[in-house]
Amino acid sequence: GNSVTQMEGPVTLSEEAFLTINCTYTATGYPSLFWYVQYPGEGLQLLLKATKADDKGSNKGFEATYRKETTSFHLEKGSVQVSDSAVYFCALNSGNAGNMLTFGGGTRLMVKP
Amino acid sequence: NAGVTQTPKFRVLKTGQSMTLLCAQDMNHEYMYWYRQDPGMGLRLIHYSVGEGTTAKGEVPDGYNVSRLKKQNFLLGLESAAPSQTSVYFCASSQLAGKQYNEQFFGPGTRLTVL
Repeated sequence: GNSVTQMEGPVTLSEEAFLTINCTYTATGYPSLFWYVQYPGEGLQLLLKATKADDKGSNKGFEATYRKETTSFHLEKGSVQVSDSAVYFCALNSGNAGNMLTFGGGTRLMVKP
Repeated sequence: NAGVTQTPKFRVLKTGQSMTLLCAQDMNHEYMYWYRQDPGMGLRLIHYSVGEGTTAKGEVPDGYNVSRLKKQNFLLGLESAAPSQTSVYFCASSQLAGKQYNEQFFGPGTRLTVL
């Protein structure tokens, strides 16, 4: 079956530090990959996505590249801000009939001023 | 557009009580989903619906029932609540299938505590 593995948190960084959150996946076929962000007390919002190998998704200074050879979709940002503090979820959609997502366990990011 | 809304935001139940969580979307989406979120486990799919009048089981359906009588609404029911159902529940919706890159849009969540 499909699965997504993320690095466990929390990840604590100082403002302007470089961020990497690792995500690897197992899936049949050629899934689409997503990063969702959950700010405190809110639902999940799509941060970025990539639909085929070597695609790079980007948004709000975050980016992730779909690496089929390593089955990875690591999230990066060059300079984090306090407002980036949130929980980040990696997810995949393998094109099943229900358009269902498989989520990783989430990684909490805490950015200190 | 309100997007996806959920009612109520918070609820405390006693073991054995029943309740219904309401999800509504105004984006004319075909697909709707109910997830539960537990610490360290990400989101797990409870039930989903691919259209009005149809529902299907997800990863963790036991103890829950759902109904999709109207396209814009998706109800999640707990007939006899148990402490193991203490969780945060999220509803989501997405456009028609066949487009695996379609994102899901999430509601703000319902925090349920079962004593």
